[in-house]
Amino acid sequence: EADIYQTPRYLVIGTGKKITLECSQTMGHDKMYWYQQDPGMELHLIHYSYGVNSTEKGDLSSESTVSRIRTEHFPLTLESARPSHTSQYLCASSAITGNSPLHFGNGTRLTVT
Amino acid sequence: KNEVEQSPQNLTAQEGEFITINCSYSVGISALHWLQQHPGGGIVSLFMLSSGKKKHGRLIATINIQEKHSSLHITASHPRDSAVYICAVESYNTDKLIFGTGTRLQVFP
Repeated sequence: EADIYQTPRYLVIGTGKKITLECSQTMGHDKMYWYQQDPGMELHLIHYSYGVNSTEKGDLSSESTVSRIRTEHFPLTLESARPSHTSQYLCASSAITGNSPLHFGNGTRLTVT
Repeated sequence: KNEVEQSPQNLTAQEGEFITINCSYSVGISALHWLQQHPGGGIVSLFMLSSGKKKHGRLIATINIQEKHSSLHITASHPRDSAVYICAVESYNTDKLIFGTGTRLQVFP
């Protein structure tokens, strides 16, 4: 049962397009994360948020932005997609209290042509 | 050297075998997570540990804080256990998650 939802599940777009990947959770979690994962590789943190109006950059953040206007919603925007952005994007959330388990969305598989 | 290292990288087993996957880390942590990722699928949290041992069905996770080491055990393995198992630690200093590269497990009937 998914309490964290990502849309779209798959996306194919052309170079230069602006895209927004959606992530919503219904658990009231304060912490939310965006990760990028290439096939067979480890997860890399793109952005994270510890609450409304709080966003921080991760390791791969330079070409994307996020917003956290509502607790449940944490969209990721690529201003100008490039083929190097082709990857899987995973959203996750957890409660702000210590030692809270992570919940992951099913991911968005992005292909930039 | 990665701050979180898993071994083995790849593991094959026959159905019914006992499986052990290891995770060693070099940073101070507040918690350690074991995650499971099926091919093409999302990631599921299996365990979160800060000390001792946890058991859920056929899965057992242990952690030794002094030795900075954790193990994930699967008893009576089954082909549906085939997946990538990922160890991730919450850094005590930065509060960020640091991921291992994962262990790819294949269980054959």
